[in-house]
Amino acid sequence: KQEVTQIPAALSVPEGENLVLNCSFTDSAIYNLQWFRQDPGKGLTSLLLIQSSQREQTSGRLNASLDKSSGRSTLYIAASQPGDSATYLCAVTDSSYKLIFGSGTRLLVRP
Amino acid sequence: GAGVSQSPSNKVTEKGKDVELRCDPISGHTALYWYRQSLGQGLEFLIYFQGNSAPDKSGLPSDRFSAERTGGSVSTLTIQRTQQEDSAVYLCASRGGTADTDTQYFGPGTRLTVL
Repeated sequence: KQEVTQIPAALSVPEGENLVLNCSFTDSAIYNLQWFRQDPGKGLTSLLLIQSSQREQTSGRLNASLDKSSGRSTLYIAASQPGDSATYLCAVTDSSYKLIFGSGTRLLVRP
Repeated sequence: GAGVSQSPSNKVTEKGKDVELRCDPISGHTALYWYRQSLGQGLEFLIYFQGNSAPDKSGLPSDRFSAERTGGSVSTLTIQRTQQEDSAVYLCASRGGTADTDTQYFGPGTRLTVL
């Protein structure tokens, strides 16, 4: 059974810092991996999707990497801003594309 | 519409009552998913539709839960004889546009509270 773990569970950093969020999964037979952002009381916003054949994806200040063989992904956020404060969720999919989520990392960026 | 919509946004019900939650996916998206987010369990998959059929219902927690999708569009999740442990945020997602077939786009969710 696929299990997804995210470390750390919570993170507080001063504005401007670069930071890394970690995600690991137990079964490397994934179809793709998505990183989402969730603001309090809101739904999920897709940030980046990495296909199983890819190594990384970039969008603005965000960069996500994938090492499928070791079951790991990282989300790198450059020059963090208070508006980046949210919960970040990692999820992997199987061939039916159903998402299996980690428990998330709660990020607070202090002004 | 431009995004996935869900209704109602909030639902408070009494234990034992039936509830219906609605999801309107992004127009043209063939796949539709229901997930549940509760404090103790995190985000968990409930059911997946491809068109009007549901090839994967493995996440439905009990036979009190059912879902249907009609016309390849709107989906309804029904919970019969609600229990307090059904209290959660129910999220719907759709996938399958022509430009980006893999990304799942989520609605804002329905917060269900069972008293």
